[in-house]
Amino acid sequence: GQNIDQPTEMTATEGAIVQINCTYQTSGFNGLFWYQQHAGEAPTFLSYNVLDGLEEKGRFSSFLSRSKGYSYLLLKELQMKDSASYLCALEDSNYQLIWGAGTKLIIKP
Amino acid sequence: TAGITQAPTSQILAAGRSMTLRCTQDMRHNAMYWYRQDLGLGLRLIHYSNTAGTTGKGEVPDGYSVSRANTDDFPLTLASAVPSQTSVYFCASSDKRGADTQYFGPGTRLTVL
Repeated sequence: GQNIDQPTEMTATEGAIVQINCTYQTSGFNGLFWYQQHAGEAPTFLSYNVLDGLEEKGRFSSFLSRSKGYSYLLLKELQMKDSASYLCALEDSNYQLIWGAGTKLIIKP
Repeated sequence: TAGITQAPTSQILAAGRSMTLRCTQDMRHNAMYWYRQDLGLGLRLIHYSNTAGTTGKGEVPDGYSVSRANTDDFPLTLASAVPSQTSVYFCASSDKRGADTQYFGPGTRLTVL
């Protein structure tokens, strides 16, 4: 199976840094996606990691370690608009996305 | 550019009735997908289509059918709705299947009573 685990909810302060983890158990996958989903809206793409290491994109960075079975999304200089759910998804060998349940991030002033 | 549109936005449906959820994209993407999203669970793939004229089953296909007569449209049909099909349904598309960003529609909130 490809169980994907994410914390259900996290709270952080405006201007701070937060790391959202995603752990998985799988024998193999093509890559790992992160999406953002504001309440009542559609998911939108944030990042895609194939190789181990850190991918930086503005205030958001995503990290993948295949050997350790985890990824994280790092959000810097948090803004109130970053309050959303963050979804981790693995692409399996059949190109199907297997999604985690998502982490609801609450930003406090 | 509209991207992906879905209709209706929300619907209340009596159990046993049929319903078609509509999805249209204007990006000329080859691949399209239908997901359901339930509280506490990740998005689950219902059906997909790699290109016009082809469809495939996802993780939870039972009770649903799809067709892909052309590139733009990918309707999802519930032949005889049951309360467990109460969910938010998202349609998505990507240029190709595999290692490609999926773009999501705004979703349809369906309640089956």
